[in-house]
Amino acid sequence: GNSVTQMEGPVTLSEEAFLTINCTYTATGYPSLFWYVQYPGEGLQLLLKATKADDKGSNKGFEATYRKETTSFHLEKGSVQVSDSAVYFCALFNNDMRFGAGTRLTVKP
Amino acid sequence: GAGVSQSPRYKVAKRGQDVALRCDPISGHVSLFWYQQALGQGPEFLTYFQNEAQLDKSGLPSDRFFAERPEGSVSTLKIQRTQQEDSAVYLCASSLMSWGDTEAFFGQGTRLTVV
Repeated sequence: GNSVTQMEGPVTLSEEAFLTINCTYTATGYPSLFWYVQYPGEGLQLLLKATKADDKGSNKGFEATYRKETTSFHLEKGSVQVSDSAVYFCALFNNDMRFGAGTRLTVKP
Repeated sequence: GAGVSQSPRYKVAKRGQDVALRCDPISGHVSLFWYQQALGQGPEFLTYFQNEAQLDKSGLPSDRFFAERPEGSVSTLKIQRTQQEDSAVYLCASSLMSWGDTEAFFGQGTRLTVV
């Protein structure tokens, strides 16, 4: 079946640090891959997506590359800000949407 | 409004009580999804509608859970005889077409606490 495994949190970084949140998936066929973000007190929002192998999704300085050979979609940002503090969910769509458990990121000034 | 609206935002129910959670999707959105999110977990799929048709209800945890979207717009998730394990945030999302092709937009959720 389809599933997503992402790095457990919480992750605490200082401002301007480099961020990586690992995500791997299991799926049949060719799923679309997503990162969603949930800011405190808000609903889930799409951060970025990639629909085929080797595609790179990017938004707000975040990037993730669809790696079929390693079944991964790791989220990266070169320099995090306090405003990036949120919970990040990796997800895949393959007939239905499956989410990872979420990784809480806290960025300290 | 412009986004997905869910009501109530918070609901406290006594064990055994029936509850109804409402979702107003973005106007014109064909697809509507319900998810259950337990504390510290990712959203778990419950059910999916395309217009008024419920195409997938495989995620509903028991026959106490029932969802409908009779006119293809507003949807209601009903939980009968609530149990403590039903305590969670219930999320609704809608998308213009199939989720794989177009972005899905989430509501802020309804936090259900069963006491």
